[in-house]
Amino acid sequence: GESVGLHLPTLSVQEGDNSIINCAYSNSASDYFIWYKQESGKGPQFIIDIRSNMDKRQGQRVTVLLNKTVKHLSLQIAATQPGDSAVYFCAENINTGKLIFGQGTTLQVKP
Amino acid sequence: DVKVTQSSRYLVKRTGEKVFLECVQDMDHENMFWYRQDPGLGLRLIYFSYDVKMKEKGDIPEGYSVSREKKERFSLILESASTNQTSMYLCASSLGQGQPQHFGDGTRLSIL
Repeated sequence: GESVGLHLPTLSVQEGDNSIINCAYSNSASDYFIWYKQESGKGPQFIIDIRSNMDKRQGQRVTVLLNKTVKHLSLQIAATQPGDSAVYFCAENINTGKLIFGQGTTLQVKP
Repeated sequence: DVKVTQSSRYLVKRTGEKVFLECVQDMDHENMFWYRQDPGLGLRLIYFSYDVKMKEKGDIPEGYSVSREKKERFSLILESASTNQTSMYLCASSLGQGQPQHFGDGTRLSIL
């Protein structure tokens, strides 16, 4: 069946360093991918998305990379700040409007 | 900015009660979704709707129903609440297929 997984449940980085959060997906028919950030006590917040016809997309301090050959997605956060501490989810869309979510990676930023 | 509002942040109900969770979005989105979020299980889709008066079962619809009488409002109903329905419930909306879903801040529901 479909599944979306993140490689590490927890990632700890030093403030100011770059963070890389990884996600593997299993369905080669997936055509759209989203990264969400969820802070404690809040709902998931949209960060950035990418369609399957692209391999890279940049936002403010964030970059998403898509490698369709190995079905891998990553979120890079530049100059990580304490406010970036949260749980990060990837999600994939398989042409239906429904999303399949990964389990989440907790990013801890050390001062 | 899209705003998805869930009527309660915290709710405590008793086993057997009928429970209503309300969700309203202000961006004229076509699609609305209800999820529950549990530790170790991630987000699981309960029901969704692509249009007014239309509903589709998600992955875990048992014990739940939904209502969408108006485009902006999507209600989740627990017909007879049970303790295993204690969870965080999240509502989301999207403009259409291939568009990001935007979430509310959730309702933490406890069934005693």
